[in-house]
Amino acid sequence: DAGITQSPRHKVTETGTPVTLRCHQTENHRYMYWYRQDPGHGLRLIHYSYGVKDTDKGEVSDGYSVSRSKTEDFLLTLESATSSQTSVYFCAIRTGGTDTQYFGPGTRLTVL
Amino acid sequence: AQSVSQHNHHVILSEAASLELGCNYSYGGTVNLFWYVQYPGQHLQLLLKYFSGDPLVKGIKGFEAEFIKSKFSFNLRKPSVQWSDTAEYFCAALSGGSYIPTFGRGTSLIVHP
Repeated sequence: DAGITQSPRHKVTETGTPVTLRCHQTENHRYMYWYRQDPGHGLRLIHYSYGVKDTDKGEVSDGYSVSRSKTEDFLLTLESATSSQTSVYFCAIRTGGTDTQYFGPGTRLTVL
Repeated sequence: AQSVSQHNHHVILSEAASLELGCNYSYGGTVNLFWYVQYPGQHLQLLLKYFSGDPLVKGIKGFEAEFIKSKFSFNLRKPSVQWSDTAEYFCAALSGGSYIPTFGRGTSLIVHP
């Protein structure tokens, strides 16, 4: 599974609180992604990174920010969580040689 | 913008039935194609991928897919499904030079024992 871990795996929080999700990889892949998965919407890209401190927005970036200070870590922050951000969040990496994405185990976030 | 269409949103089969899930993409240039499977409560796992060469690609667990360039299609097939194939299946396309794949909405497959 390309050495990807996500933490926490489950989180329940309240509206208005900040939340940070962590994606950690062990294989020095350059590209990392954050997706959210919701019923009826499939996978939607939130943000992605193409190197340390190099990030860009995806299709559903409003309300989210990211940071990548080290190759192995890609953080997703919800500055002030809302109920609409209740979702399952997946991190992914892209292997350089085969242009293939591999996904982490996911984080189930519930915002009450 | 590139798009990926999965026409079957829900498929219900009995064990041993044959499976074919449709996938069409819109991009006309060089494209890499993927099928992922997501078992209940789990993350997406790569089933198979096509980059070039033989348009019939074999993946894990007896799945295969055929790339038909003239039809912009990459349909997933399995000759005989099992109860354990119950999952959601996602098709994805990556256009040449891009690093952001486009995913289809997914097809939910339920296999009855």
